[in-house]
Amino acid sequence: KAGVTQTPRYLIKTRGQQVTLSCSPISGHRSVSWYQQTPGQGLQFLFEYFSETQRNKGNFPGRFSGRQFSNSRSEMNVSTLELGDSALYLCASSSRLAGGTNEQFFGPGTRLTVL
Amino acid sequence: AQSVTQLGSHVSVSEGALVLLRCNYSSSVPPYLFWYVQYPNQGLQLLLKYTTGATLVKGINGFEAEFKKSETSFHLTKPSAHMSDAAEYFCAVSGTGANNLFFGTGTRLTVIP
Repeated sequence: KAGVTQTPRYLIKTRGQQVTLSCSPISGHRSVSWYQQTPGQGLQFLFEYFSETQRNKGNFPGRFSGRQFSNSRSEMNVSTLELGDSALYLCASSSRLAGGTNEQFFGPGTRLTVL
Repeated sequence: AQSVTQLGSHVSVSEGALVLLRCNYSSSVPPYLFWYVQYPNQGLQLLLKYTTGATLVKGINGFEAEFKKSETSFHLTKPSAHMSDAAEYFCAVSGTGANNLFFGTGTRLTVIP
């Protein structure tokens, strides 16, 4: 079974631009979560989508948004980029079965650099 | 609310020595606990997890961890370090029924030949 894929792997943008990152979960997984990883703040939860609905949201400004499509693929968007948005953005998928162990499988990440 | 504290941002061990990475958690609900490993320029790989049942959990690559509720700890151990174990290790907690993980700040393990 193919793992979680994220595109693009690397991205360079300038301040004020917007960016869209994509994540394809493991086949059959309906939950997709996004995390931001920076040296200063570590790994922080952004949001989770399940069946095209946002189920959980972390403490990030409204510039960070996401969506999920009917095939469970997910995108996250960051508008009006700031230097501090430079980070590794990780996507994780889970089957989210009732009573499940919440095990999440991570993709390789998209490294975003904001200049 | 859930949180995790990892003691020691850097740990160095000699090849063949015991690996001990410390993790303490805080959770208002019965926790699910995880250890992940991250190699340079890669995503996170699950080493092991605790949900319910047996408190000693065995994972991949010879790692294991013990859930101690009285100490709110979930320390990761490996009897004999290998050069390939050099990586960053993250402890994480989630509440039951929740998919969002709360991560510790990570421990970078260096293995000295």
